[in-house]
Parts: sequence; structure tokens; C-alpha cells
Amino acid sequence: GAGVSQSPSNKVTEKGKDVELRCDPISGHTALYWYRQRLGQGLEFLIYFQGNSAPDKSGLPSDRFSAERTGESVSTLTIQRTQQEDSAVYLCASSLSHNGGRVSGNTIYFGEGSWLTVV
Amino acid sequence: ELKVEQNPLFLSMQEGKNYTIYCNYSTTSDRLYWYRQDPGKSLESLFVLLSNGAVKQEGRLMASLDTKARLSTLHITAAVHDLSATYFCAVAQYNNNDMRFGAGTRLTVKP
Repeated sequence: GAGVSQSPSNKVTEKGKDVELRCDPISGHTALYWYRQRLGQGLEFLIYFQGNSAPDKSGLPSDRFSAERTGESVSTLTIQRTQQEDSAVYLCASSLSHNGGRVSGNTIYFGEGSWLTVV
Repeated sequence: ELKVEQNPLFLSMQEGKNYTIYCNYSTTSDRLYWYRQDPGKSLESLFVLLSNGAVKQEGRLMASLDTKARLSTLHITAAVHDLSATYFCAVAQYNNNDMRFGAGTRLTVKP
């Protein structure tokens, strides 16, 4: 597609339920990021995928959070046993090969986000 | 640990005035990004700065990078209402996948 696509755009769920958020990156983009943005705050890094390399999961806040990516395409962020503090916008971003940045410095494109509300 | 600080966090300007947003970061970096975010919307990439002394301009916005001072600035010239948004800087390091964001500067341009 023309841009990074995320679904659902809005999700209201009950506390304790599991949710899945989907991200379709721009075609050909090997690098994929997930960020969380709480209301009125900055972005918090969650996880990073680069091609077939092991993902960088250092930003995941707890073991309730996990993410998968199929090759260089779709990614799914799963939150198990949701809590009210999980309410936020979950933003996905993608870019061309993350070549350390010294040569490429590629622009990172963000999706519209998935707005999650846990009640 | 890489930390990114922006100031001011809130900025109210009159149309036609100039102002600068500052982004300081704590450790050596080789990539700095500026993004714009409108309310309820995602982030729009404005600039990517890769080297010391880099300067980029787009319309009324100009971004610069001083890697020795670990400082980037976003300068607004002759502000117009359409520039009202939240502006984020983000910093990444060569061997680090974590692009750290500042808290954002919420800019309001008044007539």
C-alpha cells in the first residue's frame, strides 16, 4: 500500500481480555517498529524488527506484551490480560533497511495508530 | 542510557513571529529526526539530520544539528496558524534500534 496501515484503528476492550493489533508496513521496508504513546505524552519504544534478524524486544514493558512478524511483511502486537494502564495509541512505523544509519538515514514512516482503550 | 530533552514543552506564538525549539540529547548519536503530530493523527516526518552542521529547510521550518553540543534546533520563521501542532525530536544511535523521542513541544500559533 501507499503507507503504513494499522488495524483496528480503535479498540475498546474489557480489562483482562487479550487484544491483537496489526501493522502492514510499506512494501519493501525491512525495518519495522512498534511504539506506544499515552495521552499527551511522547513515544515509548516497544519492539523492532529488521528482516530475518532476531527482534529487539528491549522496550516491551512486561511479559504480557509480545509481537510477531512474518518475514518482511505484516506484524502483530499482542497484549494479554489487558490492564487499564495499557490504554494508549500503539503506533507502527517502517523504513528501508536499517543500515546503521550512517549511510542511509532513511525516513521512518508512521501509521495512523491503533487507539486502545481498556475499560 | 540515551535521554532526549526538548524545550519548551509548550509554546504559544503570534503569527509572523520567529521562535526556536531545542532538542538536547545525552549520548553520541548519528541520526536525529524531527516529526510533526497533529491532534489525533500520526507522526509526519519533517527532517532527518545525519551529520554535524547539517541544516535542512522546508518552508518556514529549518532544522540544524550540532553533534558536538548534542543539540538540534527547529527554527520557525514568520509563524502561521497552520504550523500549530506538536513537534517531536527523536535520536538514534549507530548500533541501537531504539529511536528515543523527546516529550514533544506543543506549538500554538495565534492570529
